Amino acid sequence: DTGVSQDPRHKITKRGQNVTFRCDPISEHNRLYWYRQTLGQGPEFLTYFQNEAQLEKSRLLSDRFSAERPKGSFSTLEIQRTEQGDSAMYLCASGREIETQYFGPGTRLLVL
Amino acid sequence: AQSVSQHNHHVILSEAASLELGCNYSYGGTVNLFWYVQYPGQHLQLLLKYFSGDPLVKGIKGFEAEFIKSKFSFNLRKPSVQWSDTAEYFCAVNAGSQGNLIFGKGTKLSVKP
Repeated sequence: DTGVSQDPRHKITKRGQNVTFRCDPISEHNRLYWYRQTLGQGPEFLTYFQNEAQLEKSRLLSDRFSAERPKGSFSTLEIQRTEQGDSAMYLCASGREIETQYFGPGTRLLVL
Repeated sequence: AQSVSQHNHHVILSEAASLELGCNYSYGGTVNLFWYVQYPGQHLQLLLKYFSGDPLVKGIKGFEAEFIKSKFSFNLRKPSVQWSDTAEYFCAVNAGSQGNLIFGKGTKLSVKP
């Protein structure tokens, strides 16, 4: 399978814990995006990378959130001191420049 | 702020009925437009896209959409739906030089066999 992959697929954590998600994009794609989706809503943009450079961050991305793409390949999204409001599906997508974005299966986070 | 509106939250149709899902966006400049579909238990998949050229675009599985610039609309259509079209449909816009997509809230389509 050469699509976008995300790990883990599900994560249950207690409030106040840190969590980290990983995204592996389609190999030839230089852009990688993170979105968050809550029930009844469409995906909301969090941040994106072009190669290893983080080019844009949404206001949704509080200082508890950090994302990296150290070698321009896979990316990690870390949430520190999780809150119940962080419970959501975290989606990763990849693409080439301003083109179609291909989405992964998502990581469903539940904060208790 | 840019936004995308999908007016129908939940649409219920019988098989063979025609489908039209509305999508309107707010942005005055150049846009790229997308429809994504999410089948139950699956991830978001591209249904069709419009970047430029013919405003009537055809996608997979018999879907099409028409870009009407004057109405800021990109409605999705299918002449005859099937039970397998049961899914959630998201309209999305990529505005100007921005990298990110702005999504509507989605329309859930239920097709009765």
